Amino acid sequence: AQSVAQPEDQVNVAEGNPLTVKCTYSVSGNPYLFWYVQYPNRGLQFLLKYITGDNLVKGSYGFEAEFNKSQTSFHLKKPSALVSDSALYFCAVRDKSGGGADGLTFGKGTHLIIQP
Amino acid sequence: GAGVSQSPSNKVTEKGKDVELRCDPISGHTALYWYRQSLGQGLEFLIYFQGNSAPDKSGLPSDRFSAERTGGSVSTLTIQRTQQEDSAVYLCASSLDRQENSPLHFGNGTRLTVT
Repeated sequence: AQSVAQPEDQVNVAEGNPLTVKCTYSVSGNPYLFWYVQYPNRGLQFLLKYITGDNLVKGSYGFEAEFNKSQTSFHLKKPSALVSDSALYFCAVRDKSGGGADGLTFGKGTHLIIQP
Repeated sequence: GAGVSQSPSNKVTEKGKDVELRCDPISGHTALYWYRQSLGQGLEFLIYFQGNSAPDKSGLPSDRFSAERTGGSVSTLTIQRTQQEDSAVYLCASSLDRQENSPLHFGNGTRLTVT
Protein backbone atom coordinates (compact mmCIF):
# COMPACT_ATOMS: atom_id res chain seq x y z
CA ALA A 1 0.00 0.00 0.00
CA GLN A 2 1.15 3.53 -0.61
CA SER A 3 -0.02 6.86 0.71
CA VAL A 4 0.69 10.56 0.61
CA ALA A 5 0.16 13.10 3.37
CA GLN A 6 -0.02 16.83 2.91
CA PRO A 7 -0.31 17.98 6.53
CA GLU A 8 -1.35 21.55 5.78
CA ASP A 9 -4.70 22.37 4.23
CA GLN A 10 -3.53 25.94 3.63
CA VAL A 11 -0.23 27.81 3.59
CA ASN A 12 -0.06 31.60 3.70
CA VAL A 13 3.10 33.41 2.55
CA ALA A 14 3.88 37.04 1.89
CA GLU A 15 4.95 37.88 -1.65
CA GLY A 16 8.73 37.78 -2.01
CA ASN A 17 9.21 35.38 0.90
CA PRO A 18 10.32 31.78 0.47
CA LEU A 19 7.60 29.15 0.49
CA THR A 20 7.43 25.49 1.44
CA VAL A 21 4.56 23.09 0.86
CA LYS A 22 5.04 19.86 2.78
CA CYS A 23 4.57 16.30 1.56
CA THR A 24 5.41 12.98 3.14
CA TYR A 25 4.87 9.60 1.58
CA SER A 26 4.77 5.92 2.37
CA VAL A 27 5.65 3.17 -0.11
CA SER A 28 6.92 -0.37 0.26
CA GLY A 29 9.69 0.11 -2.29
CA ASN A 30 11.33 3.14 -3.87
CA PRO A 31 9.14 6.02 -4.98
CA TYR A 32 8.47 8.08 -8.04
CA LEU A 33 7.31 11.46 -6.69
CA PHE A 34 5.40 14.23 -8.42
CA TRP A 35 4.02 17.68 -7.76
CA TYR A 36 1.02 19.05 -9.63
CA VAL A 37 -0.62 22.48 -9.43
CA GLN A 38 -4.27 23.33 -10.01
CA TYR A 39 -5.39 26.86 -10.78
CA PRO A 40 -9.08 27.79 -10.25
CA ASN A 41 -11.46 25.99 -12.60
CA ARG A 42 -8.58 24.25 -14.35
CA GLY A 43 -7.18 20.75 -14.47
CA LEU A 44 -3.96 19.76 -12.79
CA GLN A 45 -0.65 20.77 -14.36
CA PHE A 46 2.58 18.84 -13.91
CA LEU A 47 5.27 20.80 -12.03
CA LEU A 48 8.13 18.40 -11.42
CA LYS A 49 9.06 14.82 -10.63
CA TYR A 50 11.69 12.83 -8.82
CA ILE A 51 12.79 9.59 -10.45
CA THR A 52 16.35 8.99 -9.35
CA GLY A 53 19.62 10.84 -8.99
CA ASP A 54 19.94 14.28 -7.44
CA ASN A 55 17.71 14.78 -4.45
CA LEU A 56 16.98 18.38 -5.47
CA VAL A 57 14.66 18.53 -8.44
CA LYS A 58 13.91 21.70 -10.37
CA GLY A 59 10.65 22.23 -12.18
CA SER A 60 8.36 24.75 -13.80
CA TYR A 61 7.79 28.35 -12.65
CA GLY A 62 10.89 28.39 -10.43
CA PHE A 63 9.69 25.61 -8.15
CA GLU A 64 11.94 22.92 -6.77
CA ALA A 65 11.50 19.97 -4.45
CA GLU A 66 13.86 18.03 -2.27
CA PHE A 67 13.64 14.28 -1.91
CA ASN A 68 14.61 13.12 1.57
CA LYS A 69 14.59 9.35 1.83
CA SER A 70 15.27 9.17 5.56
CA GLN A 71 12.36 11.48 6.33
CA THR A 72 10.21 10.11 3.46
CA SER A 73 9.50 13.66 2.41
CA PHE A 74 9.28 15.57 -0.85
CA HIS A 75 8.62 19.18 0.12
CA LEU A 76 7.93 21.74 -2.57
CA LYS A 77 9.87 24.99 -2.34
CA LYS A 78 10.37 28.32 -4.05
CA PRO A 79 12.87 30.99 -2.97
CA SER A 80 10.62 33.98 -3.65
CA ALA A 81 6.84 33.65 -3.86
CA LEU A 82 4.66 35.45 -6.40
CA VAL A 83 0.98 36.29 -6.03
CA SER A 84 0.41 34.26 -9.19
CA ASP A 85 1.68 31.15 -7.36
CA SER A 86 -1.58 31.09 -5.39
CA ALA A 87 -3.22 27.78 -6.27
CA LEU A 88 -3.95 24.26 -5.04
CA TYR A 89 -0.91 21.98 -4.95
CA PHE A 90 -0.98 18.19 -5.02
CA CYS A 91 1.80 15.78 -4.17
CA ALA A 92 1.65 12.29 -5.71
CA VAL A 93 3.60 9.07 -5.32
CA ARG A 94 3.99 5.88 -7.29
CA ASP A 95 5.83 2.83 -5.99
CA LYS A 96 8.54 1.78 -8.48
CA SER A 97 7.96 -1.83 -7.59
CA GLY A 98 4.28 -1.55 -8.30
CA GLY A 99 2.66 -1.31 -11.66
CA GLY A 100 -1.03 -0.98 -11.18
CA ALA A 101 -2.97 1.71 -12.89
CA ASP A 102 -3.91 3.20 -9.58
CA GLY A 103 -0.27 3.29 -8.64
CA LEU A 104 -0.31 7.08 -8.71
CA THR A 105 -1.70 8.16 -5.34
CA PHE A 106 -2.46 11.83 -4.72
CA GLY A 107 -2.51 13.77 -1.50
CA LYS A 108 -5.55 15.84 -0.56
CA GLY A 109 -3.93 19.05 -1.72
CA THR A 110 -2.64 22.23 -0.06
CA HIS A 111 -4.03 25.67 -0.80
CA LEU A 112 -1.14 28.09 -1.22
CA ILE A 113 -2.09 31.73 -0.72
CA ILE A 114 0.45 34.41 -1.52
CA GLN A 115 -0.42 37.75 0.02
CA PRO A 116 0.69 40.96 -1.74
CA GLY B 1 -0.39 21.24 -29.43
CA ALA B 2 -3.88 20.54 -28.13
CA GLY B 3 -4.24 19.32 -24.59
CA VAL B 4 -6.75 16.97 -23.03
CA SER B 5 -10.26 18.16 -23.81
CA GLN B 6 -13.29 17.39 -21.67
CA SER B 7 -16.96 18.11 -22.31
CA PRO B 8 -19.20 19.43 -21.04
CA SER B 9 -17.37 21.76 -18.69
CA ASN B 10 -20.42 21.91 -16.44
CA LYS B 11 -23.37 19.57 -16.10
CA VAL B 12 -26.40 19.96 -13.87
CA THR B 13 -28.71 16.98 -13.72
CA GLU B 14 -31.61 15.75 -11.65
CA LYS B 15 -31.20 12.86 -9.28
CA GLY B 16 -31.92 9.59 -11.03
CA LYS B 17 -30.93 10.74 -14.51
CA ASP B 18 -28.04 9.27 -16.50
CA VAL B 19 -25.08 11.43 -17.60
CA GLU B 20 -22.23 10.98 -20.06
CA LEU B 21 -18.91 12.77 -19.72
CA ARG B 22 -16.48 12.91 -22.62
CA CYS B 23 -12.70 13.00 -22.77
CA ASP B 24 -10.47 13.59 -25.80
CA PRO B 25 -6.89 12.72 -24.82
CA ILE B 26 -3.76 14.14 -26.37
CA SER B 27 -3.13 12.54 -29.75
CA GLY B 28 -0.70 9.64 -29.45
CA HIS B 29 -1.19 9.14 -25.73
CA THR B 30 -1.93 5.50 -25.09
CA ALA B 31 -2.81 5.75 -21.39
CA LEU B 32 -6.04 7.41 -20.21
CA TYR B 33 -7.25 7.90 -16.64
CA TRP B 34 -10.44 9.13 -14.99
CA TYR B 35 -10.31 10.71 -11.53
CA ARG B 36 -12.94 12.29 -9.34
CA GLN B 37 -12.21 15.39 -7.29
CA SER B 38 -14.49 16.19 -4.40
CA LEU B 39 -14.13 19.16 -2.07
CA GLY B 40 -11.56 18.34 0.60
CA GLN B 41 -11.12 14.78 -0.66
CA GLY B 42 -8.26 15.10 -3.08
CA LEU B 43 -8.24 13.00 -6.23
CA GLU B 44 -9.96 9.62 -6.31
CA PHE B 45 -8.87 7.19 -9.02
CA LEU B 46 -11.75 5.73 -11.01
CA ILE B 47 -10.56 3.84 -14.08
CA TYR B 48 -7.54 3.41 -16.35
CA PHE B 49 -7.20 2.46 -20.03
CA GLN B 50 -3.95 1.39 -21.70
CA GLY B 51 -4.02 0.74 -25.41
CA ASN B 52 -6.15 -2.26 -26.30
CA SER B 53 -5.77 -3.92 -22.89
CA ALA B 54 -8.72 -4.52 -20.63
CA PRO B 55 -9.31 -1.44 -18.48
CA ASP B 56 -8.55 -1.37 -14.79
CA LYS B 57 -11.91 -0.61 -13.20
CA SER B 58 -10.81 -1.07 -9.62
CA GLY B 59 -11.60 2.51 -8.61
CA LEU B 60 -15.19 2.69 -9.82
CA PRO B 61 -17.33 3.36 -6.72
CA SER B 62 -20.40 1.40 -7.81
CA ASP B 63 -21.92 -0.47 -10.74
CA ARG B 64 -23.71 2.75 -11.73
CA PHE B 65 -20.36 3.94 -13.09
CA SER B 66 -18.93 2.68 -16.37
CA ALA B 67 -16.50 3.90 -18.99
CA GLU B 68 -15.40 3.00 -22.45
CA ARG B 69 -12.68 4.08 -24.80
CA THR B 70 -13.35 3.78 -28.49
CA GLY B 71 -10.56 3.23 -30.97
CA GLY B 72 -7.94 3.83 -28.33
CA SER B 73 -8.77 7.52 -28.27
CA VAL B 74 -11.95 9.20 -27.01
CA SER B 75 -13.35 8.01 -23.70
CA THR B 76 -16.83 8.34 -22.21
CA LEU B 77 -17.61 8.03 -18.51
CA THR B 78 -21.26 7.16 -17.86
CA ILE B 79 -23.04 7.52 -14.55
CA GLN B 80 -26.46 5.89 -14.37
CA ARG B 81 -29.21 6.88 -11.95
CA THR B 82 -27.18 9.76 -10.56
CA GLN B 83 -27.17 10.46 -6.84
CA GLN B 84 -26.36 13.67 -5.01
CA GLU B 85 -23.11 12.17 -3.72
CA ASP B 86 -21.95 11.87 -7.34
CA SER B 87 -21.59 15.66 -7.44
CA ALA B 88 -17.91 16.38 -8.02
CA VAL B 89 -15.41 17.44 -10.65
CA TYR B 90 -14.51 14.57 -12.96
CA LEU B 91 -11.00 14.84 -14.35
CA CYS B 92 -9.57 12.99 -17.30
CA ALA B 93 -5.82 12.60 -17.84
CA SER B 94 -3.65 11.00 -20.47
CA SER B 95 0.01 10.07 -20.62
CA LEU B 96 2.35 9.13 -23.37
CA ASP B 97 2.70 5.53 -22.31
CA ARG B 98 2.53 3.27 -19.34
CA GLN B 99 5.95 4.17 -18.00
CA GLU B 100 5.57 4.76 -14.33
CA ASN B 101 7.40 8.07 -14.48
CA SER B 102 5.39 9.56 -17.34
CA PRO B 103 3.59 12.66 -16.08
CA LEU B 104 -0.15 12.86 -16.52
CA HIS B 105 -1.72 15.62 -18.60
CA PHE B 106 -5.08 16.64 -17.20
CA GLY B 107 -8.13 18.17 -18.82
CA ASN B 108 -10.01 21.03 -17.16
CA GLY B 109 -12.63 18.66 -15.85
CA THR B 110 -16.40 18.38 -15.90
CA ARG B 111 -18.17 19.83 -12.87
CA LEU B 112 -21.19 17.61 -12.21
CA THR B 113 -23.98 18.84 -9.97
CA VAL B 114 -26.80 16.46 -9.09
CA THR B 115 -29.87 18.24 -7.74
